Amino acid sequence: DQQVKQNSPSLSVQEGRISILNCDYTNSMFDYFLWYKKYPAEGPTFLISISSIKDKNEDGRFTVFLNKSAKHLSLHIVPSQPGDSAVYFCAASASNYQLIWGAGTKLIIKP
Amino acid sequence: DADVTQTPRNRITKTGKRIMLECSQTKGHDRMYWYRQDPGLGLQLIYYSFDVKDINKGEISDGYSVSRQAQAKFSLSLESAIPNQTALYFCATSTSGGGNEQFFGPGTRLTVL
Repeated sequence: DQQVKQNSPSLSVQEGRISILNCDYTNSMFDYFLWYKKYPAEGPTFLISISSIKDKNEDGRFTVFLNKSAKHLSLHIVPSQPGDSAVYFCAASASNYQLIWGAGTKLIIKP
Repeated sequence: DADVTQTPRNRITKTGKRIMLECSQTKGHDRMYWYRQDPGLGLQLIYYSFDVKDINKGEISDGYSVSRQAQAKFSLSLESAIPNQTALYFCATSTSGGGNEQFFGPGTRLTVL
């Protein structure tokens, strides 16, 4: 039973345009959501997070939106840059220790 | 210098062998975690430790054991490796405060033949 789903295995976006990565979850007890970025041969690195009491969090080019009624969150990257090409993981937490992870979306930024 | 280090980075072993993966951190975090990642899947929690005397099983602990030798060191053992334990293994750390951002090591690629 996948509690966190990233339904797009890959996404290709033109440099300079907006990248939108999506994540759906099923557990209404999740109270904290995180996005991680992973380059090949490296561990995941924390990108941005959002608490369930908010619907938006912004950090530079990265914005995460949370729609609790739809159990959906998205990560917007504007503008997309070549260095953004990576695998992006969505993760959710209900207990302040265990993260439940999506399968990841590979983002490819085309020049 | 990396804050979370893992050794070895790559390991090939045979079925039935005992394997130990090591993790060290200089972040001063209390909490440490071991995950595995299989192709096309997210990370799955194997074990976690909130401090040296507190070790807990995660989602997929069968076939694995851990040891928290010090606040900075957390090792993962496969007592008798089997081929379906072939995966990428990550160690992570976090503080005990809210937010639960976890900081990851570079990973160990383990192949069991």
